Formats: sequence, structure tokens, C-alpha cells
Amino acid sequence: AQSVTQPDIHITVSEGASLELRCNYSYGATPYLFWYVQSPGQGLQLLLKYFSGDTLVQGIKGFEAEFKRSQSSFNLRKPSVHWSDAAEYFCAVAVSGGSYIPTFGRGTSLIVHP
Amino acid sequence: GAGVSQSPSNKVTEKGKDVELRCDPISGHTALYWYRQSLGQGLEFLIYFQGNSAPDKSGLPSDRFSAERTGGSVSTLTIQRTQQEDSAVYLCASSEGQTLKPQHFGDGTRLSIL
Repeated sequence: AQSVTQPDIHITVSEGASLELRCNYSYGATPYLFWYVQSPGQGLQLLLKYFSGDTLVQGIKGFEAEFKRSQSSFNLRKPSVHWSDAAEYFCAVAVSGGSYIPTFGRGTSLIVHP
Repeated sequence: GAGVSQSPSNKVTEKGKDVELRCDPISGHTALYWYRQSLGQGLEFLIYFQGNSAPDKSGLPSDRFSAERTGGSVSTLTIQRTQQEDSAVYLCASSEGQTLKPQHFGDGTRLSIL
């Protein structure tokens, strides 16, 4: 079965600084990868996804992520963080065969200091 | 409606009582998912409905949990004889279909068992 690891429970950055949130997955073949953001008291919103093709994918709100097969990683990046980016971020992986139900990581809480 | 609607937004009940949580998906979405989000945890898959197919119940943690989806639209998650460990946020998501279409999440129901 596939699994997802987000090694950082909390990340603190200053507003305007760059951001990288780590995500590693375990799966033998090429997975389908997602990043979601959850603001307090709300559901999850899709930021971006990778299915195939260009390994650098652009998402909403200025986020991007890079799929690195050799490292089994799909890290999320943003060059300049805004205070409104403070939220919980979830990486998810789905695999072919069956119902493609995504498996989610535990999430990384992003704290933004002014 | 414009998005996935869940009700109630908050539910407090005594241990041993039964609870029903409702999800109204986006109109036309054939796939519906229920997840549980416990404090500090990622999303735990519970159950998945796709059209008229038999639901995937592989994530239900015990036989106290059940769900139904009437007429391919509204879904109800029922927890019988609630326990304190059932306290969590229950999230519902819907998507256009089976093949990796983006999931749209509701804001969840926060369930507290006293």
C-alpha cells in the first residue's frame, strides 16, 4: 500500500521568506500526487497536482511543487510567503488500480511571522 | 449549491449516543468520500461512493460506523454508540468521477463526545 510522509509537523517562516514543505511517498510505480491547503475551520482546497509530464507543476496562490522520482519526493515551494498562507498543508498520493482513493500525510502546520 | 455542504458544523453528544452527519455534495458529482481528521493527524479514509456501485467501506474503523447515499446525492454517516475516541472532524468530499478528478471538500463536522 502507498504511504505519505510529511516529516515536518510545524514550519515557521517570516513573511516574505521562501518556503519549502517536504513530502515523501512510498510506492513502486509513478504515483499521482497532490498538495492541499486547509485554513482553520475549513475543508481542504487543492493547490496543485502531478499526474505526468513536466515534473515542476504550478498551482494556485503562487505555489509550485517538483516531483523527484529518484528521491520519492514532491516538495511544495513558494518564493515569498504571505501572512495569509498560514494554514495546514497536506500532501496526498493516489495510485492506479482500484478506486484511486488518495492517502494523505499527517500535514504540516505553517506559521508565518510578520 | 456552490460547494459541498456538511451539517451540522458542530455536534456535541454524550458517550453511547448515536449521531448522524450529513453531506450534500456538489450537484452532478458522482463520487463522494468521507474522511476523519483527528487532532494532529492526517485524513483517515472512511468510505467512498461512486455512482450506483457498491461503496468501498474498507476504511470504516468498526461496525459502529455506517454510511448511505440516497439517490446518488446526499450522504449520511452514522456512528452508533459513540465513544470518546470518535471525537474528530469528519470531512466529506465529492468529485466528478472516479478517475482522479479533484476532490472538493466541505468544511466538516466537528464531533465532540463527552
